[in-house]
Amino acid sequence: NAGVTQTPKFQVLKTGQSMTLQCAQDMNHNSMYWYRQDPGMGLRLIYYSASEGTTDKGEVPNGYNVSRLNKREFSLRLESAAPSQTSVYFCAISIGQGSYNEQFFGPGTRLTVL
Amino acid sequence: DQQVKQNSPSLSVQEGRISILNCDYTNSMFDYFLWYKKYPAEGPTFLISISSIKDKNEDGRFTVFLNKSAKHLSLHIVPSQPGDSAVYFCAATGNQFYFGTGTSLTVIP
Repeated sequence: NAGVTQTPKFQVLKTGQSMTLQCAQDMNHNSMYWYRQDPGMGLRLIYYSASEGTTDKGEVPNGYNVSRLNKREFSLRLESAAPSQTSVYFCAISIGQGSYNEQFFGPGTRLTVL
Repeated sequence: DQQVKQNSPSLSVQEGRISILNCDYTNSMFDYFLWYKKYPAEGPTFLISISSIKDKNEDGRFTVFLNKSAKHLSLHIVPSQPGDSAVYFCAATGNQFYFGTGTSLTVIP
């Protein structure tokens, strides 16, 4: 997964704690995405950013906030973590042109909320 | 409502045989379809894609078929190898990406 890095790799939180998941890309692409992966649910889009300074909600945005401060970085924040947010979180960038583009994923962050 | 569905959560195949993974979608506006492969503790990686103007695309052992009238696509792996054991996600694009729930493929040596 060279090109998209995520930190941390693992995290355990208690209910109500906050944290920020970091994502950085060195591939100079505009669009960045945050997904969560849950058993039996596939990959679901939380938020995305089409370009620096813009963000939009995806399928499951509740309980999350995002920040796209520059072209390289896109962070996902949990203000008050809940057990339902236990999941594996993937950051992705979009590679290609127009409709014919691929998502290129980072290695993921495994989050457990107790 | 799930716009991209993979109805088989798991599939086991003997090494050397064909693996067929299936995917159905509901939105006729989707115009690009992709398959991703995911190993444990790694992010999904792109495998193969097909645009809606084609009905078949091949890349080595992997072939994707698209039946637009049935809103169905499939991934064929021939011959299957133990290293193909992974979770496979299909995806479709419209204004954003929509992923299926995944099929876990096990190739038995």
